[in-house]
Amino acid sequence: EAQVTQNPRYLITVTGKKLTVTCSQNMNHEYMSWYRQDPGLGLRQIYYSMNVEVTDKGDVPEGYKVSRKEKRNFPLILESPSPNQTSLYFCASSPRPEGAVYGYTFGSGTRLTVV
Amino acid sequence: TQLLEQSPQFLSIQEGENLTVYCNSSSVFSSLQWYRQEPGEGPVLLVTVVTGGEVKKLKRLTFQFGDARKDSSLHITAAQPGDTGLYLCAGPTSHDYKLSFGAGTTVTVRA
Repeated sequence: EAQVTQNPRYLITVTGKKLTVTCSQNMNHEYMSWYRQDPGLGLRQIYYSMNVEVTDKGDVPEGYKVSRKEKRNFPLILESPSPNQTSLYFCASSPRPEGAVYGYTFGSGTRLTVV
Repeated sequence: TQLLEQSPQFLSIQEGENLTVYCNSSSVFSSLQWYRQEPGEGPVLLVTVVTGGEVKKLKRLTFQFGDARKDSSLHITAAQPGDTGLYLCAGPTSHDYKLSFGAGTTVTVRA
């Protein structure tokens, strides 16, 4: 089944403890992206990647890192999480580098709580 | 400030009624997309409209792209409880590498 897989689905952590949220897609998509979704603010883009080894900042990149060493994987790294990073996170992918034109396939989300 | 403004924010109707959700912007978009998101899941792409004035139908859902490509609407005929969800419109920014989302319209269809 074509899909975007995120892990974990739920995560509670403490301030300052480094964590990684994994994202993998099995559709050979070139474009991948991370979003966070917050009440009243909607979906905001954190980082995106047009292809392997090519990443760029979205609208809210502060406090996050990403890497794209393989086409299928796009992990999101929080080096020192803070409570304001408590949110619902989504990974998404699209067939072509111009991902926004073709529409996204989203993962099921990771609900992160930082205490 | 959202690049795409959706209205209404919330909509609650009885099964069998019709509803329309609007997505407006002051900017011109090359295309607009509509997604539906159910609780606990990621958004799912419903449709992409590309041409100004374009109308697309997906069963009981009708999507329209404005002639000037600045707005879009989603109309649901004879709504069913299964149509309940958060409806999001989205459009590419100027360089097509970023997708900007509206804040969404929460639709509740009561049985």
